[in-house]
Order: sequence, then structure tokens, then C-alpha cells
Amino acid sequence: EVQLVESGGGLVQPGRSLRLSCAASGFTFDDYAMHWVRQAPGKGLEWVSGISWNSGSIGYADSVKGRFTISRDNAKNSLYLQMNSLRAEDTALYYCAKGPEYCSGGSCYYYGMDVWGQGTTVTVSS
Amino acid sequence: SYELTQPPSVSVSPGQTARITCSGDALPKQYAYWYQQKPGQAPVLVIYKDSERPSGIPERFSGSSSGTTVTLTISGVQAEDEADYYCQSADSSGTYHWVFGGGTKLTVL
Repeated sequence: EVQLVESGGGLVQPGRSLRLSCAASGFTFDDYAMHWVRQAPGKGLEWVSGISWNSGSIGYADSVKGRFTISRDNAKNSLYLQMNSLRAEDTALYYCAKGPEYCSGGSCYYYGMDVWGQGTTVTVSS
Repeated sequence: SYELTQPPSVSVSPGQTARITCSGDALPKQYAYWYQQKPGQAPVLVIYKDSERPSGIPERFSGSSSGTTVTLTISGVQAEDEADYYCQSADSSGTYHWVFGGGTKLTVL
């Protein structure tokens, strides 16, 4: 079964740090880009950060650039998000998502973010 | 920064056709994706590469593209289709940057 399981969320004070993890199983992890998407309470989806299959392409939303760092360990089938200098507006449910691009044999194909975890909640409050 | 624009809400009666639009300057150059999200659940991909339907998604869901606008069409809407729908695409600036539209609440009357 293809599965993504996020962990590491919790209650943290403004200005502090938190590291999220996403454990992947059931697919060839190092063939796929991976992303973090968040959803503040009652709000829409917000793309946070993404990383290509080989970490050659990395991007961040303007709202987190310079504070968050995405990384992956293909040997451990894991995705990470290091969040520093947290703010109240970072409070959200953070999802890990597989895709949208799949790269193999030198070619890339686009299938969308077809697998999502159930999310981990981050609350930034004093 | 790049933005995708969706109408906040769309309402239709059961059996009718719902159309949800998404506008963005880079859409002629970048694929669009559509996600359905029901309360308390993770998003589900319903359309990829503008008009392709993943396996397991009912045929009543379809996508199309014209210039800077993409459209999700749900034919013969059912009560279970009531949900929030989000479009997604990439920035065409060459940076690895993705964006979601603001979301559209589909209400089945």
C-alpha cells in the first residue's frame, strides 16, 4: 500500500524551531518529487516547499523562504521540513505529498500529487 | 508572486453540470492539476495534466484548458461531489515554485 505518514508536529512558541518528517512506503521514493503543503484552520491549501527526486530542484513559498528548509533522505524513504523562526501564521496542518513529477531513466512525467498523508498539526503560540 | 484565481463558490442542483474555472498567466505553459477536498480529509487528485483523469476517479470529472484559463467540469453532479476544489500549477519563471488557487466551494443544492 502506498502511504505517507507525517510526524513531528506540536505546540511551539514563536521564534522556536520544529522539524517535520514524512515516512514513505509502497513506492520507489527516489523516483518522485515530494512536497509540503499546509492548511491553516478554515483556510485553503498553501504550497510550502518542494524537492525534486534527486534534490536538484528545491523551492519555497515566499512566506517561508529563509526560515524553512526542505530535505530528503532517499536511503531512508523520508522527507523532512526544518522550520525555524516560527510565527503564529505558520499554524496549520502540514501535509506531505508525492509528486507531481516522476523521473526515471532520464525522463520526467507529470501525474499530479496523487498521494497525501493525513497531516501533522503545527501550532505556534506563546 | 504568481497566483491562480478561482471563484469562491459554485452551486448546482443534482444532475446538472458544474464548471469551476482557474485563471493564471502561466497556464498556457504549465500543466494544471485539480484536487477535491472534503471536510476533515486530505486532498484527492481528480485531474492531472489539464485533462487526464487518475484511475478510480469517476468519468463525470473532466478538465479542459483554453489560454490562461483551465476548467474543471463535473457532469451529472451528485451529492457526494460537494467539496472544496483547488487548482494547482507551477510558476513558469524557471524556479521550482508551485501554487494553489484559493479554492472553490461546490455546493450541491
